[in-house]
Amino acid sequence: EADIYQTPRYLVIGTGKKITLECSQTMGHDKMYWYQQDPGMELHLIHYSYGVNSTEKGDLSSESTVSRIRTEHFPLTLESARPSHTSQYLCASRPGAREQYFGPGTRLTVT
Amino acid sequence: SQQGEEDPQALSIQEGENATMNCSYKTSINNLQWYRQNSGRGLVHLILIRSNEREKHSGRLRVTLDTSKKSSSLLITASRAADTASYFCATAAQGGSEKLVFGKGTKLTVNP
Repeated sequence: EADIYQTPRYLVIGTGKKITLECSQTMGHDKMYWYQQDPGMELHLIHYSYGVNSTEKGDLSSESTVSRIRTEHFPLTLESARPSHTSQYLCASRPGAREQYFGPGTRLTVT
Repeated sequence: SQQGEEDPQALSIQEGENATMNCSYKTSINNLQWYRQNSGRGLVHLILIRSNEREKHSGRLRVTLDTSKKSSSLLITASRAADTASYFCATAAQGGSEKLVFGKGTKLTVNP
């Protein structure tokens, strides 16, 4: 098991609420990623970071924002949740150019 | 757009049979990786094959890579019910891209 954690695991929240999905890793990896995964299984990269104070938008446009103030922490924030944000969100980290380590995911439902 | 495309989208077999999944991609790669995802969980890395390798083994897993056809296959031998999961290929583009590009996945069901 990789040392990468996501909280909460499940979240049901009403439209318009602000939410932050937490992601932490204890492996000292510089590169971190956020993916959104549809029920049809395809993963979409929404944000990534090369290191502290570095954030980039991914291939899928997202209304969420991220920050990277510490190496181990890469939180994702939605200022105003909408039903279209309902999805599974997966966080990952990667040492160098090798494999990625994934967290268990956060399943978000916006009612 | 996603580079990796797995085939088939779904596969159902009996315990003890072999399972083969294929992945095609579009651009030159540095390496190709296979991941497994159990329902409702994150992905777990299975195996990485570099662009200069043609075949790699890990336990009951065998991965092949054909860069001329831009394709890879994952073979699981003597499958078990516990192998039931979704399997994804992911490519790292040549030139040191920081991003892996994942395919849509193959959902494997192994019936006891």
